Amino acid sequence: DSGVTQTPKHLITATGQRVTLRCSPRSGDLSVYWYQQSLDQGLQFLIQYYNGEERAKGNILERFSAQQFPDLHSELNLSSLELGDSALYFCASCYPQNCDYYEQYFGPGTRLTVT
Amino acid sequence: KNQVEQSPQSLIILEGKNCTLQCNYTVSPFSNLRWYKQDTGRGPVSLTIMTFSENTKSNGRYTATLDADTKQSSLHITASQLSDSASYICVVTDYNTDKLIFGTGTRLQVFP
Repeated sequence: DSGVTQTPKHLITATGQRVTLRCSPRSGDLSVYWYQQSLDQGLQFLIQYYNGEERAKGNILERFSAQQFPDLHSELNLSSLELGDSALYFCASCYPQNCDYYEQYFGPGTRLTVT
Repeated sequence: KNQVEQSPQSLIILEGKNCTLQCNYTVSPFSNLRWYKQDTGRGPVSLTIMTFSENTKSNGRYTATLDADTKQSSLHITASQLSDSASYICVVTDYNTDKLIFGTGTRLQVFP
């Protein structure tokens, strides 16, 4: 158990809908990263937040947005969903602003299926 | 072309045998290179983290090597166990952008 929690574990929704994925980082960790892992594809970095502020952006679509709240939990909002958005969504947390040299702890993921 | 390429794509070995997984990257300059183990449907778990100046790092039966000159890394698994069945992912951090670039992984299956 990494200490990072994600809800829900599974989510099935229809095209065009909007969903919100939630991540609670490890106690004390200030940075939260979001990743997308499509079937048979590698992890793709989406976005990073540090202590409530957006710090880095990766390959995140304009239909997707995220935020980190004062209690440090984070939410990833996916809108106008398409079939291709079906994937595993992971969040990871670590303590410092720059986790390059530090361990990133991954949550168990949310499996999103768009039908 | 992916900046981090892993080979083989999949590998089957018998329990107790050793194996080596390869990672070639073009990311330059880079800050560090990591190896993760990911069980099916679960989040990745870090095995090793090496900075550009390190050549080798071990974590139990897992030993990672890094050759920054040839831009190659390998992960050697000794005396494999059934629980080693997983995907192994190589991740390189781009020094200029701080972004983590993930390989697509090697899927390892260990059979009794």
